[in-house]
Amino acid sequence: DAGITQSPRHKVTETGTPVTLRCHQTENHRYMYWYRQDPGHGLRLIHYSYGVKDTDKGEVSDGYSVSRSKTEDFLLTLESATSSQTSVYFCAISASLRDNNSPLHFGNGTRLTVT
Amino acid sequence: KQEVTQIPAALSVPEGENLVLNCSFTDSAIYNLQWFRQDPGKGLTSLLLIQSSQREQTSGRLNASLDKSSGRSTLYIAASQPGDSATYLCAVEYGNKLVFGAGTILRVKS
Repeated sequence: DAGITQSPRHKVTETGTPVTLRCHQTENHRYMYWYRQDPGHGLRLIHYSYGVKDTDKGEVSDGYSVSRSKTEDFLLTLESATSSQTSVYFCAISASLRDNNSPLHFGNGTRLTVT
Repeated sequence: KQEVTQIPAALSVPEGENLVLNCSFTDSAIYNLQWFRQDPGKGLTSLLLIQSSQREQTSGRLNASLDKSSGRSTLYIAASQPGDSATYLCAVEYGNKLVFGAGTILRVKS
């Protein structure tokens, strides 16, 4: 899986608790992304990073924050989890989206359930 | 709003058939378009990437075409096999983000 590790793979948490998901890459790629996947919606971008300490919002960023203090790690935090954030979360990496030889590579996902 | 639509939502075919999956997008100012495969419980695997200046890309039994002016892409799978069963997603790049379709669930029956 192109050297991408997501942790944890599964998590159940209660409404109102903070949750942090981790994405670790060994490819030294510049771009990192967090997506959520829900039935009928495909994948929707939450946040992305284009370098250390450089991040930007995606289309569904409300309720989420991210941090990237090192090239290899991109953290997604739910400050106060809600049931609507129950989803499968995918991390993806790319050296450059405009390079034909550098498509997006995905991790295996984290299944988060908020009760 | 930039939207990507995939038709059909699900498809079941007998082994050996050639098949076409469709993807349409509302904003034609794209950088590239990618087709992905997703197996149950797994992440996405990139199959083909077509730059906006290209018309098609081929990899083995897969051929993807792109018509920017009409906002369409097709993924052609030749001589389908049971191992091709998966969900296929297309994604269009706008700037530094990809917009995904909801996917087509393909089942190839042996």
